[in-house]
Amino acid sequence: DVKVTQSSRYLVKRTGEKVFLECVQDMDHENMFWYRQDPGLGLRLIYFSYDVKMKEKGDIPEGYSVSREKKERFSLILESASTNQTSMYLCASSLRQGNNSPLHFGNGTRLTVT
Amino acid sequence: AQKVTQAQTEISVVEKEDVTLDCVYETRDTTYYLFWYKQPPSGELVFLIRRNSFDEQNEISGRYSWNFQKSTSSFNFTITASQVVDSAVYFCALSEANQGAQKLVFGQGTRLTINP
Repeated sequence: DVKVTQSSRYLVKRTGEKVFLECVQDMDHENMFWYRQDPGLGLRLIYFSYDVKMKEKGDIPEGYSVSREKKERFSLILESASTNQTSMYLCASSLRQGNNSPLHFGNGTRLTVT
Repeated sequence: AQKVTQAQTEISVVEKEDVTLDCVYETRDTTYYLFWYKQPPSGELVFLIRRNSFDEQNEISGRYSWNFQKSTSSFNFTITASQVVDSAVYFCALSEANQGAQKLVFGQGTRLTINP
């Protein structure tokens, strides 16, 4: 079974702090994604990567950046955390086979910015 | 632009009742893929089904069934004889063939509560 592991389940940070959310997958998937989940809005794509050192903006990239130095690891960075970034963050991975490979998700990181 | 709408925010039924979760999508692409995911209280989204736009056959998997109708742009999900373990948030999602790296657009989610 594919395992996508997010380093923290809960995180509390102060406004202005730099925050790193880490995600590791163990199935050699090419694609990796970061979503945020908010009530009433579903999941919204922040950034994704289809290969090492490659990254593409999703629908809501403002205030975020990402890093993919190794195939198995995809990091989401909040350069200067703000209260409107309080949310559930979900990492996912998939094979590159066209657009019909299912995404495999981690358990999520609930981030609170105070 | 692609869009997925799940109009039902919350549904609550008694165990053993049948329940249908609605999903309506918008896309200009002729080739696309539709998905359903389940998010139990643990938080991890679990893949349930994938359908491509050329396959309108309905699918049944145990107590779960899916009704895909291109004429109404709908991909509804029915749980028959619901059980407490079916309680979760369910998401419908869409990806278009011309989008690289499989960018999924999700609906708002439907929180389903099955009461004993």
